[in-house]
Amino acid sequence: GESVGLHLPTLSVQEGDNSIINCAYSNSASDYFIWYKQESGKGPQFIIDIRSNMDKRQGQRVTVLLNKTVKHLSLQIAATQPGDSAVYFCAENRQAGGTSYGKLTFGQGTILTVHP
Amino acid sequence: DADVTQTPRNRITKTGKRIMLECSQTKGHDRMYWYRQDPGLGLRLIYYSFDVKDINKGEISDGYSVSRQAQAKFSLSLESAIPNQTALYFCATSATDGQTNTDTQYFGPGTRLTVL
Repeated sequence: GESVGLHLPTLSVQEGDNSIINCAYSNSASDYFIWYKQESGKGPQFIIDIRSNMDKRQGQRVTVLLNKTVKHLSLQIAATQPGDSAVYFCAENRQAGGTSYGKLTFGQGTILTVHP
Repeated sequence: DADVTQTPRNRITKTGKRIMLECSQTKGHDRMYWYRQDPGLGLRLIYYSFDVKDINKGEISDGYSVSRQAQAKFSLSLESAIPNQTALYFCATSATDGQTNTDTQYFGPGTRLTVL
């Protein structure tokens, strides 16, 4: 079946280190992926997205890499800070016929803990 | 995201009661969504609406109904609440970017519902 999942449910890093959060997807027809950050007591917050015609996209301290060959997505956070501690979700947006259906499928999430 | 508001933020109710959760947005988006979040399960889509006259079931619509009163308002109802509907409920909005054909969803702060 179709699914979006994460390899690691938890990740602990030291402040200043780089973090890498991974995500696997199974639907090769998916062509739009989004990373969300969810802090305790809040709704998911958009971080960065990438379309399937790209391999890499960079934002402020974050980079998303897409490997369509192995259906793998990763989020890299540079110089991780305590404020980055949260649950990170990847989400897959399935599109068809050139029109976005806007229906996201979420992975389970990875808990990132940053130690000072 | 302050542009998407949800009321109430917390609600405790009893089995069999009718509950309505409300969502309002000032982003001017035409698409609105309701998700529930359970520990370890990520977010799952309950209902979605692509415009005022369009309502669609998501993957877990049983036991729920929705109403799109206006472009900016989308409410979720539990006609007869049961304990396994205890969860976090999130509203989201989106609008398709015509240039990139992407559809990024922005989430409200969530409603914590407990059914006793």
